[in-house]
Amino acid sequence: DVVMTQSPLSLPVTLGQPASISCRSSQSLVYSDGNTYLNWFQQRPGQSPRRLIYKVSNRDSGVPDRFSGSGSGTDFTLKISRVEAEDVGVYYCMQGTHWPWTFGQGTKVEIK
Amino acid sequence: EVQLVESGGGLVQPGGSLRLSCAASGFAFSTYWMHWVRQAPGKGLVWVSRINSDGSSTTYTDSVKGRFTISRDNAKNTLYLQMNSLRAEDTAVYYCTVGLGDYWGQGTLVTVSS
Repeated sequence: DVVMTQSPLSLPVTLGQPASISCRSSQSLVYSDGNTYLNWFQQRPGQSPRRLIYKVSNRDSGVPDRFSGSGSGTDFTLKISRVEAEDVGVYYCMQGTHWPWTFGQGTKVEIK
Repeated sequence: EVQLVESGGGLVQPGGSLRLSCAASGFAFSTYWMHWVRQAPGKGLVWVSRINSDGSSTTYTDSVKGRFTISRDNAKNTLYLQMNSLRAEDTAVYYCTVGLGDYWGQGTLVTVSS
């Protein structure tokens, strides 16, 4: 299985400051169709996961533009330009290129 | 509005069975791959199974192969997960999700314990 490794696992952030989460895969996530199926999900406390970013850098509908995704191959990053209180939760990267699809361990974002 | 509503979870003894359902609305259910993902208490997300749009192709993660069966009824816009020979390590919230995690249900809790 493809191993997804996130860092850091815990991220205390001051309100209004930027935050960055790294995700690395054990294999290239470029699919045979040329797409890279790397998604980012947010799970707020007590809620279901919600997709924020699909195919590396595409924001889902309704996702604030302070969230951005980047990367290629095996190295990917989720950035929050200015953290707000509602951003508290656990963030997961997920690869949908190789079955079984796999998630990172999760990064817990909290307010300092 | 897309809605996915899971049901069927509960407390079951080791070796027992449960059938989960996921009622879908707000999108063309019969044209999408559907998936089950689980999350053990306090743990991360694990993809369990997937089924293609017409139900002719299914895939499972190794830990549930031979014990779980995914199916769908496109006439009823409903996804199922039949879980047999349940083990303590199957205890989790089970979510149904569509596409590449586009939308998720609220989840249903399965607890396997004597």
